[in-house]
Amino acid sequence: DIQMTQSPSSLSASVGDRITITCRASQSIRSYLNWYQQRPGKAPKLLIYTTSSLHSGVPSRFSGSGSGTDFTLAISSLQPEDFATYYCQQTYSTPYTFGQGTRLEIK
Amino acid sequence: EVQLVQSGAEVKKPGATVKISCKVSGYTFTGYSLHWVQQAPGKGLDWMGLVDPENGETLYAEKFQGRVTITADTSTDTAYMELSSLRSEDTAVYYCATDINWNYSYWGQGTLVTVSS
Repeated sequence: DIQMTQSPSSLSASVGDRITITCRASQSIRSYLNWYQQRPGKAPKLLIYTTSSLHSGVPSRFSGSGSGTDFTLAISSLQPEDFATYYCQQTYSTPYTFGQGTRLEIK
Repeated sequence: EVQLVQSGAEVKKPGATVKISCKVSGYTFTGYSLHWVQQAPGKGLDWMGLVDPENGETLYAEKFQGRVTITADTSTDTAYMELSSLRSEDTAVYYCATDINWNYSYWGQGTLVTVSS
């Protein structure tokens, strides 16, 4: 199975800050990397697919980059609604493994 | 509008079996595989398996192999996930999600399964 490692596990930031979350795969997954946002008590929502494509309706302050084994999610100017948990997921091969999550908290 | 609507919360005793449904609408059910994801309380997302509704083929995560059965009923556009020999560690929210072009654009609302004696 492909292991996905996210860092950091948690992050404190302020409204207006720019933050980045990284995700590393245990082997190359080409560009088959997705990012999801999950708020408490809700289902995850797709933000970014195939590394850098913005899902419909997702604000442009979210962006993704990377290839192979190293990937990054960036949020350019944090808004109050962005404080949530973020997961990366590889869909290069089954099982479609997720990172352990990054909890983004308000400083 | 695409919708995945899951069945309601369940409370089960250890050793029992639970079967959760996921009714799909808004797209051709047989066009995309349907996946199931487990999320234990306060924990991350754990992929369980998938079904291809077009031919019924399934694939399961090793962690759940032997205890999980995922099926698809094309007459009702509904997928099912059955988990047997339940134990306390299976207490979790279970999500269905549609794999459209190698991502989960659409998710069910989640079903809480509580395993308790």
